[in-house]
Amino acid sequence: GESVGLHLPTLSVQEGDNSIINCAYSNSASDYFIWYKQESGKGPQFIIDIRSNMDKRQGQRVTVLLNKTVKHLSLQIAATQPGDSAVYFCAERAGTASKLTFGTGTRLQVTL
Amino acid sequence: ETGVTQTPRHLVMGMTNKKSLKCEQHLGHNAMYWYKQSAKKPLELMFVYNFKEQTENNSVPSRFSPECPNSSHLFLHLHTLQPEDSALYLCASSQVQGRGGNQPQHFGDGTRLSIL
Repeated sequence: GESVGLHLPTLSVQEGDNSIINCAYSNSASDYFIWYKQESGKGPQFIIDIRSNMDKRQGQRVTVLLNKTVKHLSLQIAATQPGDSAVYFCAERAGTASKLTFGTGTRLQVTL
Repeated sequence: ETGVTQTPRHLVMGMTNKKSLKCEQHLGHNAMYWYKQSAKKPLELMFVYNFKEQTENNSVPSRFSPECPNSSHLFLHLHTLQPEDSALYLCASSQVQGRGGNQPQHFGDGTRLSIL
């Protein structure tokens, strides 16, 4: 079946460094992708999204890159801060369906 | 403040109890969702409501019964649950536009459910 997965379950970075969280997807029909951040005791929080007609989108300190050729999505966080410590999920959707498929998540740990 | 409020935040119940989870969204969205989040598993979609009509039931056992009285409120009625139903139950909402559209879902902080 179709799946969305993450390469690394845990990522540890030093404060101030850049973080890169990766996501692989298998549904070639997926045309919309979202990154969520989930802090302990809270629900997933929308970070940034990207449509398949783009290969890069930037937000505040975050950049999402989409490589449709290899079905790969990444989230880059610049100047990582302790408040960035959380679990990050990618999600994808194919076509007009409202259903999102989520990956298992990557835990980002920021060390001082 | 996410715009999606879930109550209660924590719930402990026995297998024979009946309880309900409540979700309210203040974002003016027209679609609402229930998800189950278990440890080390991806988020599992349970139910989808568009314009108060259920459009998806992802093979959820009948001991979970959703209700959507209007586009701002969503309930999940629980009855005769099993220990494996212990999880974080998340509600989300989104604006579904014509021909699907691409709008993100916004989540509440969930109800942590423990079945004794």
